[in-house]
Amino acid sequence: GAVVSQHPSWVICKSGTSVKIECRSLDFQATTMFWYRQFPKQSLMLMATSNEGSKATYEQGVEKDKFLINHASLTLSTLTVTSAHPEDSSFYICSARDPLAGTGELFFGEGSRLTVL
Amino acid sequence: AQSVTQLDSQVPVFEEAPVELRCNYSSSVSVYLFWYVQYPNQGLQLLLKYLSGSTLVKGINGFEAEFNKSQTSFHLRKPSVHISDTAEYFCAVSGGDYKLSFGAGTTVTVRA
Repeated sequence: GAVVSQHPSWVICKSGTSVKIECRSLDFQATTMFWYRQFPKQSLMLMATSNEGSKATYEQGVEKDKFLINHASLTLSTLTVTSAHPEDSSFYICSARDPLAGTGELFFGEGSRLTVL
Repeated sequence: AQSVTQLDSQVPVFEEAPVELRCNYSSSVSVYLFWYVQYPNQGLQLLLKYLSGSTLVKGINGFEAEFNKSQTSFHLRKPSVHISDTAEYFCAVSGGDYKLSFGAGTTVTVRA
């Protein structure tokens, strides 16, 4: 099946710094990618929909200026957590839609665990 | 909008015993239903999906689920579990726009 890769898998940063997480579709072109956030022992919450070549669509309650999403190519979307604070510590997961795959199916990355000190 | 309720937060089960994970959904439109598995510190892997057609869906690793429209349910079953099935399981629903709404998850712990 299609492969989605995230980098880095783990990142620790100091409060106030910015962190960039990459989501790549390795063997297909993804016109649409999704970013989720998962707190410990909880479910995934959709943060935003990333469309190649256009602005991301954010879910209600998600700060656009805090979580910058860029989808500059058909195989790469990036999530930048700006001026990170300890409450931003979480597991961030991306998913991508392969237009040539089965209807409705999304392929998920391995996730990126962010810890803000 | 769609939503999902997973009725069991934790399910302990002995190895080789059957397991059922319950999922109910609500939606005002036709839905696509999914079950995903998540191992610690990993992303999600698709177990199976219901889009249309037969209400009994077979997935990977011996799992199957049955779509019941009248009861708005999509319960996941496996007749005999293994230690390796210990994981977090998520039921999810989509209205066809690829935006998934996830349930809270069910932790399955398989004991020898």
